[in-house]
Amino acid sequence: GQQLNQSPQSMFIQEGEDVSMNCTSSSIFNTWLWYKQDPGEGPVLLIALYKAGELTSNGRLTAQFGITRKDSFLNISASIPSDVGIYFCAGQLLPGTASKLTFGTGTRLQVTL
Amino acid sequence: GAGVSQSPRYKVAKRGQDVALRCDPISGHVSLFWYQQALGQGPEFLTYFQNEAQLDKSGLPSDRFFAERPEGSVSTLKIQRTQQEDSAVYLCASSLAETGGGYTFGSGTRLTVV
Repeated sequence: GQQLNQSPQSMFIQEGEDVSMNCTSSSIFNTWLWYKQDPGEGPVLLIALYKAGELTSNGRLTAQFGITRKDSFLNISASIPSDVGIYFCAGQLLPGTASKLTFGTGTRLQVTL
Repeated sequence: GAGVSQSPRYKVAKRGQDVALRCDPISGHVSLFWYQQALGQGPEFLTYFQNEAQLDKSGLPSDRFFAERPEGSVSTLKIQRTQQEDSAVYLCASSLAETGGGYTFGSGTRLTVV
């Protein structure tokens, strides 16, 4: 099935650094979501974006919904060790939850002290 | 319970064996989804229920895969005559129909077919 393209695939950063990752699609979505998945767990929602051009923050996280509706990025400021994990973007075509998610390939983040 | 509960957490099946994976959604959640996550990949959609009605099963990879939610709460994903390529984590997610955006995922069942 279709998977969205995420970059980078993985990154090693030092504690305190800012992190940026993005997600692109060949087709448009009307909702963009960012999830974090820890080993052995299901994805946990971090941020949801509902409008093209929207910029939303959640603590140290900031995400933007691209104007073309085909991309999104996620920034993490001042990273800490518990930010380690795999970050997935997901696009949703229809509004509300009665609509499947198309996930990205994931960005694995590792934070060194 | 407070979250989405899936059982078993781990399942090892011999090739050709049938398996059944269970999902207990959050109480009162109308929508229920099943996703398949292969190693190193993002989750991929399998099927969607609204109450007991299966409204979308376009992601089921073959007719060996079957899902049901007979009373609109607990759901079971059944895989018949398992094959090695079925090895993956199977995630269940549920949501209230009214909420937008994301839903709550369970921890998944890791299926290994040997």
